[in-house]
Amino acid sequence: KAGVTQTPRYLIKTRGQQVTLSCSPISGHRSVSWYQQTPGQGLQFLFEYFSETQRNKGNFPGRFSGRQFSNSRSEMNVSTLELGDSALYLCASRGVREDSPLHFGNGTRLTVT
Amino acid sequence: AQSVTQLDSHVSVSEGTPVLLRCNYSSSYSPSLFWYVQHPNKGLQLLLKYTSAATLVKGINGFEAEFKKSETSFHLTKPSAHMSDAAEYFCVVRGGYSTLTFGKGTMLLVSP
Repeated sequence: KAGVTQTPRYLIKTRGQQVTLSCSPISGHRSVSWYQQTPGQGLQFLFEYFSETQRNKGNFPGRFSGRQFSNSRSEMNVSTLELGDSALYLCASRGVREDSPLHFGNGTRLTVT
Repeated sequence: AQSVTQLDSHVSVSEGTPVLLRCNYSSSYSPSLFWYVQHPNKGLQLLLKYTSAATLVKGINGFEAEFKKSETSFHLTKPSAHMSDAAEYFCVVRGGYSTLTFGKGTMLLVSP
């Protein structure tokens, strides 16, 4: 079974631009969640989607948004980029059971200059 | 509400010696607990999970963890460290519906 795939692996953007990150979950997984990882703040939950509906949202400004498609692929968008948005963005998918573990992709490294 | 505390930000061991990474948690629910490992520039890989079955959980690569409810702990151990174990380790608790909380991580350094 293919794992969680995130594209692109690396991105460099300038302040004020916007960016879209993509995540393809493990086949059969309908839940996709996104995390931001930085050295200072660690892993922070952004949002979770299940069957195209946002199920949970973390404490991030409205510049961070996401969506999920009918094939469970998900995209995350960040508008009006700030220097502090530089981070590793991780996507994870999981099965339908509530105790199913998360399976993570290798992440997208976003650098904002 | 729930929280996770990884008691050490860095742990240094010599190859062949035991590993102990400490994690305490708090949760209003009966929690599910996980340990993940992250190698540089990679995503997190599941090592093991506890979901209210056996309190001693065996994972991949020789790691295991023991759930101790009385101590609210879920420490990760391995009898003999290998150089390839050098990475960052995260303790994670899932409490209520879809609510995950990550620890700050423990960097494991293994010297030859």
